[in-house]
Amino acid sequence: SQTIHQWPATLVQPVGSPLSLECTVEGTSNPNLYWYRQAAGRGLQLLFYSVGIGQISSEVPQNLSASRPQDRQFILSSKKLLLSDSGFYLCAWSVIGSGTQYFGPGTRLLVL
Amino acid sequence: SQELEQSPQSLIVQEGKNLTINCTSSKTLYGLYWYKQKYGEGLIFLMMLQKGGEEKSHEKITAKLDEKKQQSSLHITASQPSHAGIYLCGAAPFSLGSNYKLTFGKGTLLTVNP
Repeated sequence: SQTIHQWPATLVQPVGSPLSLECTVEGTSNPNLYWYRQAAGRGLQLLFYSVGIGQISSEVPQNLSASRPQDRQFILSSKKLLLSDSGFYLCAWSVIGSGTQYFGPGTRLLVL
Repeated sequence: SQELEQSPQSLIVQEGKNLTINCTSSKTLYGLYWYKQKYGEGLIFLMMLQKGGEEKSHEKITAKLDEKKQQSSLHITASQPSHAGIYLCGAAPFSLGSNYKLTFGKGTLLTVNP
């Protein structure tokens, strides 16, 4: 069966520090991968999605970037964190051709 | 862009009571997805509706998509404390091909009092 992992679970970082969040999927090949941010009162915001290795689409201009170095690995990064980057970050995957997305457990990021 | 409005924003019910959550789209839906989330955790997929008039059930949760494919309802029968959480609807715009990007509503917070 397929599983999706995210780490770390919780992260507290100072403003201006770099960020790297990792997401890996097991049990499937060539998935679509997604990064979302969930902020209180604002719902789920799609940040990036990827349909293959090295293929990244950005949905919202921001301080973040994403990379997909391997088929089942998706990384969210920042060179310098802002206070506004705080939130709950969720990774998801789907089978190509299917709209159903399956979510990871999430990473709570607090920027101080 | 497609927008989804969920109502109510929050709901408190007594255990054993029935309840309904609504999700309304500004555009025709290609697919409508229901998820449940417990605070601080990821989203759990409940069910997906695609055809106008379609209805699906999972245990005590039933979801329907109207004929015009612009509104969906999620109905819980005989609610239990385990049903508590945030319910989110997500929608795929009409005919995106193989790369689906879902738009989500802001969620409905359900509290079930024992």
